[in-house]
Amino acid sequence: DTGVSQDPRHKITKRGQNVTFRCDPISEHNRLYWYRQTLGQGPEFLTYFQNEAQLEKSRLLSDRFSAERPKGSFSTLEIQRTEQGDSAMYLCASSSSGGDRGYFGPGTRLLVL
Amino acid sequence: QKEVEQNSGPLSVPEGAIASLNCTYSDRGSQSFFWYRQYSGKSPELIMSIYSNGDKEDGRFTAQLNKASQYVSLLIRDSQPSDSATYLCAVGNAGNMLTFGGGTRLMVKP
Repeated sequence: DTGVSQDPRHKITKRGQNVTFRCDPISEHNRLYWYRQTLGQGPEFLTYFQNEAQLEKSRLLSDRFSAERPKGSFSTLEIQRTEQGDSAMYLCASSSSGGDRGYFGPGTRLLVL
Repeated sequence: QKEVEQNSGPLSVPEGAIASLNCTYSDRGSQSFFWYRQYSGKSPELIMSIYSNGDKEDGRFTAQLNKASQYVSLLIRDSQPSDSATYLCAVGNAGNMLTFGGGTRLMVKP
């Protein structure tokens, strides 16, 4: 399977804990996006990487959220001190320069108790 | 006011009919427009992109864009029960983020 992969697919955590999600984009794609989707809503943009550079961040990305893409390949999204409002599906997408934006991974569904 | 608006539905059509899904957007500087299909519990799947005014056809799908009216639509011909899903309209600006509408739930009845 050469699509976008995400790990884990599901995560249940207690309020106040830290969680980290991983995204592996399609190998030839240099652009990587993180979105968050809550039930009944469309995805909301969180952040964008071109290669290893984080070029855009949404105001939704509070200081509890941090994302990295250290070698321009996979990316991680960390949420510190999770809150119940963080419960959502976290989606990663990738694309090539000039390509359609973008191909989504299966998502990580987070539940904060 | 949301930047990308869609009727949440559900839109119910009989099998074989044409389903028409609509989307309006507020940012006149928007440059790219996308339709995604999302099955329940799954991630969005890109089905159409359109960048200039007019129609773009791909199989049973036709996307229509009218920038003057800030309006995008998706027509699905010969609708099948397997087309039952939520359809998300997404709009891109000069940057790299997409702004999504809330989606329209389509139900195709056999």
